Amino acid sequence: DADVTQTPRNRITKTGKRIMLECSQTKGHDRMYWYRQDPGLGLRLIYYSFDVKDINKGEISDGYSVSRQAQAKFSLSLESAIPNQTALYFCATSDENRETGELFFGEGSRLTVL
Amino acid sequence: GNSVTQMEGPVTLSEEAFLTINCTYTATGYPSLFWYVQYPGEGLQLLLKATKADDKGSNKGFEATYRKETTSFHLEKGSVQVSDSAVYFCALSDRNTGGFKTIFGAGTRLFVKA
Repeated sequence: DADVTQTPRNRITKTGKRIMLECSQTKGHDRMYWYRQDPGLGLRLIYYSFDVKDINKGEISDGYSVSRQAQAKFSLSLESAIPNQTALYFCATSDENRETGELFFGEGSRLTVL
Repeated sequence: GNSVTQMEGPVTLSEEAFLTINCTYTATGYPSLFWYVQYPGEGLQLLLKATKADDKGSNKGFEATYRKETTSFHLEKGSVQVSDSAVYFCALSDRNTGGFKTIFGAGTRLFVKA
């Protein structure tokens, strides 16, 4: 089983709908992240959490919200989806005890907003 | 602020050809540098890393050297294989308040022909 699991893997929805992407991890890491991947733009950070009580906005947080339900779970919500939120979304974790910031990724959730 | 610039793709090579993917960075501190690889339909995974100047990261025949004087971290492989076809991301991780934040380049797609 994957150490970082994302659900759903694929989702097609309509403009205005509420969508939640879920992430769970078995690595025991405190730090979790949500990134968005668009062609030619690399990965951009949406939100990150360094522990259960800590939530921080990344560079493109507008239109998104997150919830850190437990150390192992970090969900991303789109309250009212719009077509330019069509993208591949990745959850990632990192270990505060490693001094390099190496990230461990889930397999991605492909979201299409019509 | 910090930034990462990598060469645009796609890069198309024949099997056993030499590969170079250029990456340069801008950072105010002393970041760690990474190359991540994304195979088709998968999430990103760490390929190699270097945590300080003049360090050389290596894995699976790939190498990159942390050059502070030229702010570069170019990825090289002496003889590519079809199985190396993927998207390669250069990334920088810098310690921030509470932990690390990672910035990615736009990605370079590599096609290797048999």
